[in-house]
Amino acid sequence: QVQLVESGGGVVQPGGSLRLSCGASGFTLSSYDMHWVRQTPDKGLEWVAFNRYDGSDKKYADSVKGRFTISRDNSKDTVYLQMNSLRAEDTAVYYCARNEYGDYGIEAFDLWGQGTMVTVSS
Amino acid sequence: DIQMTQSPSSLSASVRDRVTIACRASQNINNYLNWYQQKPGKAPKLLIYAASSLQSGVPSRFSGSGSGTDFTLTISTLQPEDFATYYCQQTYNTYSFGQGTKLEIK
Repeated sequence: QVQLVESGGGVVQPGGSLRLSCGASGFTLSSYDMHWVRQTPDKGLEWVAFNRYDGSDKKYADSVKGRFTISRDNSKDTVYLQMNSLRAEDTAVYYCARNEYGDYGIEAFDLWGQGTMVTVSS
Repeated sequence: DIQMTQSPSSLSASVRDRVTIACRASQNINNYLNWYQQKPGKAPKLLIYAASSLQSGVPSRFSGSGSGTDFTLTISTLQPEDFATYYCQQTYNTYSFGQGTKLEIK
């Protein structure tokens, strides 16, 4: 079954750290670029980070740059999001998503996990 | 950064209605535009990519059009399972989403 499963969410104090994991099954993770996306009721869907299929390129939203790190271990079929210096505004449901290059090489997020909740609160 | 603006923010319609949702980009994004459907408590689901290409497995009542800065998602004949929130997304320059359009039953 082709799927992504996130884990690692929870409650953390401001300034704390958390590492999210995204396990892939049913497809070859090493063939795909991957993303993390978060969602809040107020701000909606916000792209967070991108990781090239081989880990050679990474991109971040300005809101998390310098605090979050995306990585992957293709031998374990897992993508990670290390979140440091967490703030209240990082509270969200975090999704991992697979990147697909469709017609004309246009990217789309064609497979999503079920999401994991991160709450930053004292 | 490219801003994506959807209209309307919410919409009431009946089963079998034809519905159109608009999405406008703050600058030219060619056809680097995708549409997603999200139901409560679930992850977004890709419906349309590259502005007008139907994702595999998505019913043909969904269609997309547009290029440049203005795009539309059309549902030709609403079905009960289509009541959800819809998001547009640009992938021309990094990635950003519209604020969503909530489609409710009238």
